[in-house]
Amino acid sequence: DAGITQSPRYKITETGRQVTLMCHQTWSHSYMFWYRQDLGHGLRLIYYSAAADITDKGEVPDGYVVSRSKTENFPLTLESATRSQTSVYFCASSGTGYTYNSPLHFGNGTRLTVT
Amino acid sequence: KQEVTQIPAALSVPEGENLVLNCSFTDSAIYNLQWFRQDPGKGLTSLLLIQSSQREQTSGRLNASLDKSSGRSTLYIAASQPGDSATYLCAAPNQAGTALIFGKGTTLSVSS
Repeated sequence: DAGITQSPRYKITETGRQVTLMCHQTWSHSYMFWYRQDLGHGLRLIYYSAAADITDKGEVPDGYVVSRSKTENFPLTLESATRSQTSVYFCASSGTGYTYNSPLHFGNGTRLTVT
Repeated sequence: KQEVTQIPAALSVPEGENLVLNCSFTDSAIYNLQWFRQDPGKGLTSLLLIQSSQREQTSGRLNASLDKSSGRSTLYIAASQPGDSATYLCAAPNQAGTALIFGKGTTLSVSS
């Protein structure tokens, strides 16, 4: 089925461990994004990618690493997880960037708990 | 710096009521504004996208308006139904057009 798939849906990890959240889209959208959603802060952009091998920082990039070797995949890695990274993480994609009037499509999210 | 504010934070209405959700933004030089719906435990679903050259956009019982000069957008829901219960978020691009800035949402509850 076409869409965005995030995995895992739920993840519990310990402080200091490396964690990778996966995101796969089947639309061949150019742009992909990672957001985190927290009570009191709403949705905040972590990283985005305009195309394969092109990534850039968003509002809250510290402690995260991304890569995009293929158009359809955009994994997010927490190099050394901290409790402040406990959150719900959403991947999104768009046919074009924000300025080109293309709606944003979201995955169902990964709920990450860092103990 | 773009900031997006939504009022009210929560709203409870009986079924059948028409209602308005408000969104304000500080940087009026936006290319577009989007409204999303989020159900509990789910991702966001795009409802309406209003281009800067438009003043309104309609989809079924939903109508969104955009007034760039005043920095406001409204989402009008006609004849509300229990199935409309969800959190509604609006989002506008930042000045560089590189990030979508979200409001914190309005949580709507429609009782039957």
